Amino acid sequence: GESVGLHLPTLSVQEGDNSIINCAYSNSASDYFIWYKQESGKGPQFIIDIRSNMDKRQGQRVTVLLNKTVKHLSLQIAATQPGDSAVYFCAVFSGGYQKVTFGTGTKLQVIP
Amino acid sequence: EAQVTQNPRYLITVTGKKLTVTCSQNMNHEYMSWYRQDPGLGLRQIYYSMNVEVTDKGDVPEGYKVSRKEKRNFPLILESPSPNQTSLYFCASSAATAYEQYFGPGTRLTVT
Repeated sequence: GESVGLHLPTLSVQEGDNSIINCAYSNSASDYFIWYKQESGKGPQFIIDIRSNMDKRQGQRVTVLLNKTVKHLSLQIAATQPGDSAVYFCAVFSGGYQKVTFGTGTKLQVIP
Repeated sequence: EAQVTQNPRYLITVTGKKLTVTCSQNMNHEYMSWYRQDPGLGLRQIYYSMNVEVTDKGDVPEGYKVSRKEKRNFPLILESPSPNQTSLYFCASSAATAYEQYFGPGTRLTVT
């Protein structure tokens, strides 16, 4: 089955700097990917998604990059703010819209 | 306000005492799902429902039951809870698929 991992469990970033959070997946047939943000005491919140026919997608201050060759995706947050402090994890869809595997999450700590 | 609600938010119980965690959404969503979140592991799907009276097992269904008698409600039932079911549980809903799910605030369950 699909396995999804993140490279770093914790990432500390200075306020104003850019943050990069990574996710690796194992199934080359994976075709849809979502990044979620989970603040302390709350449920996960959708940030941005990307389909396998794309390499890059941008949102407001966030960019997701997908490298299908090495089965890796990343979330870039520009000008990181204290409100960005949270756990971020990826969700990987393989073989349809019902089967999803979640990564374990990276805790982003923003240093004021 | 569009939301997914869960009750209770916190629950401490003893082994073998049946319990139900309720989940309700006000967005007229067809797809609903239950997940558990444990330290060091990603969200794992317990059960999901594509519509009323249609439910299916996720990755970790053992020890859990669900029902979908109404579109808005999707309760999670633990007939005989055990300590290994101590976890943080999330209910989620979406318009049609596991894509872009809206998550509830979570229920922290402790089974002693």
